[in-house]
Amino acid sequence: GQQLNQSPQSMFIQEGEDVSMNCTSSSIFNTWLWYKQDPGEGPVLLIALYKAGELTSNGRLTAQFGITRKDSFLNISASIPSDVGIYFCAGLPMNRDDKIIFGKGTRLHILP
Amino acid sequence: DAMVIQNPRYQVTQFGKPVTLSCSQTLNHNVMYWYQQKSSQAPKLLFHYYDKDFNNEADTPDNFQSRRPNTSFCFLDIRSPGLGDAAMYLCATSRDSGGGWTQYFGPGTRLLVL
Repeated sequence: GQQLNQSPQSMFIQEGEDVSMNCTSSSIFNTWLWYKQDPGEGPVLLIALYKAGELTSNGRLTAQFGITRKDSFLNISASIPSDVGIYFCAGLPMNRDDKIIFGKGTRLHILP
Repeated sequence: DAMVIQNPRYQVTQFGKPVTLSCSQTLNHNVMYWYQQKSSQAPKLLFHYYDKDFNNEADTPDNFQSRRPNTSFCFLDIRSPGLGDAAMYLCATSRDSGGGWTQYFGPGTRLLVL
C-alpha cells in the first residue's frame, strides 16, 4: 500500500539551530500537509502544499512540494523551545483525496 | 475561535462499559473523520462520514461505531471498551472542494480504560 517514509525519526538540536525533515514515497500525492503535535493535543496544521514545486513559508517554517510529487520537506529556522514536539507529514493520494496517509513523525528535542 | 471541538478532553471508563465521545465543528465542512492514536504513533483512521455517507476502514473493529446526526456533530461509540482501546481519539474535518481535502483536527479525547 501507499506509505510515507519520514525522516529523521527524532532530532536533538541546540536552540537557535535550523532543522530539516522530509517525507518520501513511491506514490504520487496531490497534496502534502505538515502538522505539529504537542503532548496531549491534536495535530495542528502548519503548512499545506497543493502544487508540485510549490514552496510555502509560515513564519520560520518553510515547506516544499517536490517536483516529482513524491516527496516534501519542512525546514524550521532558528529553532526556539516551543518548537519541541512531533512533526507529521501527511499526503493526499492521487487516487483517493478523502484519506490522508501519515508519516511516522519526527520528534524534535531542543537542548538547553 | 475553536473550529473542531471535542468533548470530553479526558474520559475514564471501565472495561466493557460503553462510552461515547463527541465532536463538533464550526467550519461547515462536509467530511468528518475519527482517528485513534496510540503513544508515539501516527493517527490511524477508523472511519469517516462524507455528508451522511459512512465509510468504514476495513480493519476497524466492530466494537467502534459512529453517528453523525447533522453536519456539525459526529459521535464515536465504543460499545465494549477493552484495555487495548485506551488511546487518544482525534476528530478531524475537511471539505470536498478547494483546499485539497486538507484536514483540520480537534484537540482530542484521551480515553483511559480501567
